[in-house]
Amino acid sequence: KAGVTQTPRYLIKTRGQQVTLSCSPISGHRSVSWYQQTPGQGLQFLFEYFSETQRNKGNFPGRFSGRQFSNSRSEMNVSTLELGDSALYLCASSQQRVGRLTDTQYFGPGTRLTVL
Amino acid sequence: QKEVEQNSGPLSVPEGAIASLNCTYSDRGSQSFFWYRQYSGKSPELIMFIYSNGDKEDGRFTAQLNKASQYVSLLIRDSQPSDSATYLCAVFQAGTALIFGKGTTLSVSS
Repeated sequence: KAGVTQTPRYLIKTRGQQVTLSCSPISGHRSVSWYQQTPGQGLQFLFEYFSETQRNKGNFPGRFSGRQFSNSRSEMNVSTLELGDSALYLCASSQQRVGRLTDTQYFGPGTRLTVL
Repeated sequence: QKEVEQNSGPLSVPEGAIASLNCTYSDRGSQSFFWYRQYSGKSPELIMFIYSNGDKEDGRFTAQLNKASQYVSLLIRDSQPSDSATYLCAVFQAGTALIFGKGTTLSVSS
C-alpha cells in the first residue's frame, strides 16, 4: 500500500505571497492532520480534517487554512506569507479520527517551505 | 497550557547499551501516548503506542506508562548506531489532537 504523499517537496516563496500544499493520504485513511515543524518550536498541530470537515484546529492565525476533498486528499493554504512561516509542513493520515485508542498516524515526507 | 516535555539531549550511549528516553505531560486527561523516531531530514515514523499503565514491549523497544506520575518512557535495548535519531513523544488529549514534545536526540556510538 502506498504511503502518504505530499507535493511539492520543496517550495521557495517571498513574503506576502500565498502557497498551497497538497497531501494524499494512505488509501482507506479518512483523517488528515497537518503539522508545522521548526527547529525552535518542534512539531505543532495545525488542523485535522475528517470526512471533509475540519475537526480540530491548533493555535495558528487565520492565514493558515485547509480543506479536504471527497477522496480524502487535503490541501493546506497559507496566505500573506511571513518569514516565520519557513518550516517543514507535514501531513499525517489515519483510518479514523485521531484519538481512538488504537488508531495511529502515518506521516508523509513533508514539504519544505522557505519564505524569503 | 497543555505541554509535553522531553529532555532535548543529546543522549549519548555506547553501542549495545540501553537508551532510556523520558517524557512528561501536563494533562491528566491524556488518553494515548506515542513514540516516533525522526531521522535528520526525514519525517517522523511511528515506533509504538501505549495507553495502559505498565510496560509494552516490541522487539528491542519497551514503552512504559505511569499515568499517576504523568510519565511515559521509551527504552531501547542493545542500542545500535542506526538508532541515532530524534525521538518524539506525542500525547493525545481528548478534544484536541496529538501534542508533540520537542524531541530527544539520541546518539549511539560504535
